[in-house]
Amino acid sequence: EVQLVESGGGVVQPGGSLRLSCAASGFTFDDYAMHWVRQAPGKGLEWVSLISGDGGSTYYADSVKGRFTISRDNSKNSLYLQMNSLRTEDTALYYCAKDDDFWSLFDYWGQGTLVTVSS
Amino acid sequence: DIQLTQSPSFLSASVGDRVTITCRASQGISSYLAWYQQKPGKAPKLLIYAASTLQSGVPSRFSGSGSGTEFTLTISSLQPEDFATYYCQQLNSYPPPFGGGTKVEIK
Repeated sequence: EVQLVESGGGVVQPGGSLRLSCAASGFTFDDYAMHWVRQAPGKGLEWVSLISGDGGSTYYADSVKGRFTISRDNSKNSLYLQMNSLRTEDTALYYCAKDDDFWSLFDYWGQGTLVTVSS
Repeated sequence: DIQLTQSPSFLSASVGDRVTITCRASQGISSYLAWYQQKPGKAPKLLIYAASTLQSGVPSRFSGSGSGTEFTLTISSLQPEDFATYYCQQLNSYPPPFGGGTKVEIK
């Protein structure tokens, strides 16, 4: 059974940093690209970032480019999102999601970890 | 970037109703579209991909159609567990845009 478990969320002041983690199990982790998708309170879904299975390719939404860094440790079946220079508009529930590796869709999602940026 | 516009953004329906949600793309995207269901407090769940292919385990009352710029998600007979928010998403694109969502509530 595929499982994705996020952690690392919390309350941080504007300008601060936070590192999110996602522990994956139930599939061959390094065979699949992984994503971060976020959802602001009461709002819709926004794709944040993608990393290829080998970690060699990364993509970012314009809204986070230059501030967020996605990475993965395939030896630990783990995905990360380093978030720097956080803004109030980054407040959201952050989901990690597995790519299906064909259609670039999100076939499995974690339960999310909440990031609140507030002074 | 391609934009996806869902309509309606909210609909009220009764159990047993036939419900149709539309997703329009700002440019043609062939059949590269998926639909997700999200219940309150839960992560989204994939329902349909490639515009009309049902994800394994999804009830057959859900169906998708369309290509190019106009797509529909249809629930043939709404069940109590179907009250949720539905999102469309363009496939094979970065950034992968989502529609704004359609919230289906009980009448």
